[in-house]
Amino acid sequence: GNSVTQMEGPVTLSEEAFLTINCTYTATGYPSLFWYVQYPGEGLQLLLKATKADDKGSNKGFEATYRKETTSFHLEKGSVQVSDSAVYFCALSDPSGAGSYQLTFGKGTKLSVIP
Amino acid sequence: DGGITQSPKYLFRKEGQNVTLSCEQNLNHDAMYWYRQDPGQGLRLIYYSQIVNDFQKGDIAEGYSVSREKKESFPLTVTSAQKNPTAFYLCASSKRGSGNEQFFGPGTRLTVL
Repeated sequence: GNSVTQMEGPVTLSEEAFLTINCTYTATGYPSLFWYVQYPGEGLQLLLKATKADDKGSNKGFEATYRKETTSFHLEKGSVQVSDSAVYFCALSDPSGAGSYQLTFGKGTKLSVIP
Repeated sequence: DGGITQSPKYLFRKEGQNVTLSCEQNLNHDAMYWYRQDPGQGLRLIYYSQIVNDFQKGDIAEGYSVSREKKESFPLTVTSAQKNPTAFYLCASSKRGSGNEQFFGPGTRLTVL
């Protein structure tokens, strides 16, 4: 079956530090990959996505590259801000399964950025 | 503006009572989903629907029921058979087809006393 593994948090960084949140996946087909962000007490918002190998998704200074050879989709940002404090979820959508529109989520990584 | 609404934001119920959570979308999406989120956990799929009048069980459907009578609406009922119903419930919708992101509502926090 499909699965997503994220680095465990919480992650605490100082403002302007470099961020990496690791994400690896297992899928039976050729999945699309997503990063979502959740602010306290809210729903999830799509941060970025990539639909095929070597694609790079980017948004608001965050980037992630779809690496098929290492089955990874690590999230990076060069300089984090206090406003980036949130929980980040990696997810995949695998078209080969019976429920082909379903998302499989990682457990989430909580990021705290301190001034 | 297009989006997904969930109501209420906070809900309190006594143990043994059924409760229905509302989810409405005006994005013209065919597919809709219900997830449960517990502290420190990822999202777990309860039910999903790819088209009106059809829905499938997700990973944790026991103790829950849904209906999909209209494209815009996908209400979730938490029944008394659900052993641990206190959680944060998220509704989402998407276009059909792989690679399409899901759009999420703001969530409903259910507390069973």
